[in-house]
Amino acid sequence: DAGVTQSPTHLIKTRGQQVTLRCSPKSGHDTVSWYQQALGQGPQFIFQYYEEEERQRGNFPDRFSGHQFPNYSSELNVNALLLGDSALYLCASSLGSIQGPSTEAFFGQGTRLTVV
Amino acid sequence: DAKTTQPPSMDCAEGRAANLPCNHSTISGNEYVYWYRQIHSQGPQYIIHGLKNNETNEMASLIITEDRKSSTLILPHATLRDTAVYYCIVRPFYNNAGNMLTFGGGTRLMVKP
Repeated sequence: DAGVTQSPTHLIKTRGQQVTLRCSPKSGHDTVSWYQQALGQGPQFIFQYYEEEERQRGNFPDRFSGHQFPNYSSELNVNALLLGDSALYLCASSLGSIQGPSTEAFFGQGTRLTVV
Repeated sequence: DAKTTQPPSMDCAEGRAANLPCNHSTISGNEYVYWYRQIHSQGPQYIIHGLKNNETNEMASLIITEDRKSSTLILPHATLRDTAVYYCIVRPFYNNAGNMLTFGGGTRLMVKP
């Protein structure tokens, strides 16, 4: 049973460019969340997708956007990259409806984005 | 803001029990206590969670005080592979607030030979 998979594992981009990160959830999971983790800090919630819609969003600008596909996989897009966007981007998947009980989230290994 | 307070770092001798404390004095009646850990350069890993009763699984035990304002994660026989940052998180029982996890600074546990 494959866990959460993310691609690519590492990425280097130039300021002002756009980037797309991808995530495939754990088999059977229907909810995908994205987190940003700066060096030396805990992960910070970006947003969550369920039923192909953004359900909840953290304190991140509109430059950060996402998408969820019918097969539950997800993409994170970041436009107009800044040096401060350099971080480990983590995807987490879980199971449950918006009204159901909380379930544990399983994380991928992350994508290390470096903006130069 | 994170709803939990943890010591920034702890040391533990290999083979001994590691007891990681967490304060969550503002926890609500509908919130669980979750523990995750993050080994260097990897994604966070779920360990255990509980509401008000003590819980045990193959990885750890979770002791929650009767007033639920604090808890302790216990790794009964720490190994070098348990060296990681441990995060204590409170989150609602129901998903009406989403599956969002609010991470604080965590406790960096160093298991030493």
